Amino acid sequence: EVQLVESGGGLVQPGRSLRLSCAASGFTFDDYAMHWVRQAPGKGLEWVSGISWNSGSIGYADSVKGRFTISRDNAKNSLYLQMNSLRAEDTALYYCAKAEFDPWGQGTLVTVSS
Amino acid sequence: SSELTQDPAVSVALGQTVRITCQGDSLRSYYASWYQQKPGQAPVLVIYGKNNRPSGIPDRFSGSSSGNTASLTITGAQAEDEADYYCNSRDSSGNLHYVFGTGTKVTVL
Repeated sequence: EVQLVESGGGLVQPGRSLRLSCAASGFTFDDYAMHWVRQAPGKGLEWVSGISWNSGSIGYADSVKGRFTISRDNAKNSLYLQMNSLRAEDTALYYCAKAEFDPWGQGTLVTVSS
Repeated sequence: SSELTQDPAVSVALGQTVRITCQGDSLRSYYASWYQQKPGQAPVLVIYGKNNRPSGIPDRFSGSSSGNTASLTITGAQAEDEADYYCNSRDSSGNLHYVFGTGTKVTVL
C-alpha cells in the first residue's frame, strides 16, 4: 500500500523558515515525480512545487518561487520542502502527492503568525 | 501561469446526473484530472487522462473534454458523492508546472 506521511509543520513567525518532510513507502520512490500542494483554511488547492524522479526537473508556483526549495533523497524515500521568508499567506495544510497527484498524504499544517 | 475556472457550487437530486465543468487555456493542450475531497480528508483522484478511473472509483464517474473545457459527470449521484471537486492539468508555463481549478462544491439533495 502506498503511504505518504508529511511532517515538520507548526507555528512559525513571519520571515522565519521551516522544512517539511514527506516519507514515502509502498512504491519504488525513485521511479516517480513528486509534488507539494497546499490548501489554506477554507480555501481551494494550490500546486506549490514538483520535482522529477532524478531531481533533474523542478517547478515552482509563482507565489513561492525564490522562497521555497523542493528536494528529494531517493536513498531515504523522502521528499522535502524548505520554506524561507514565510508570510502569513503561506498558512495552509501542506500535502505531498505522488506523480499525477495519486495518492496524497494527510498533510502537515503550517501556520505563519506572530 | 494558467488558471482553471470552475463553478463554485452545484446541486443534484439523489440518483440524478450532474456535470461539473473546468475551463482554462491549458486544457487545449493537456487533459484534466479530477479530484474528490470530503471534509477533513485529503483529495482522491477520480478521473485522469482522456477518461480513466483509478481502481476503486465507481463507474458513475466519467470525464470528457472539448476545446478549453473539461467536464466531470456523475451519473446516478449518491449521497456519498457530496464533496468538493477539483480539476487540474499541466500548465503550459513550464515543465513540472501544474494548476488546480477553483473547486466545485457538489451537494446531493
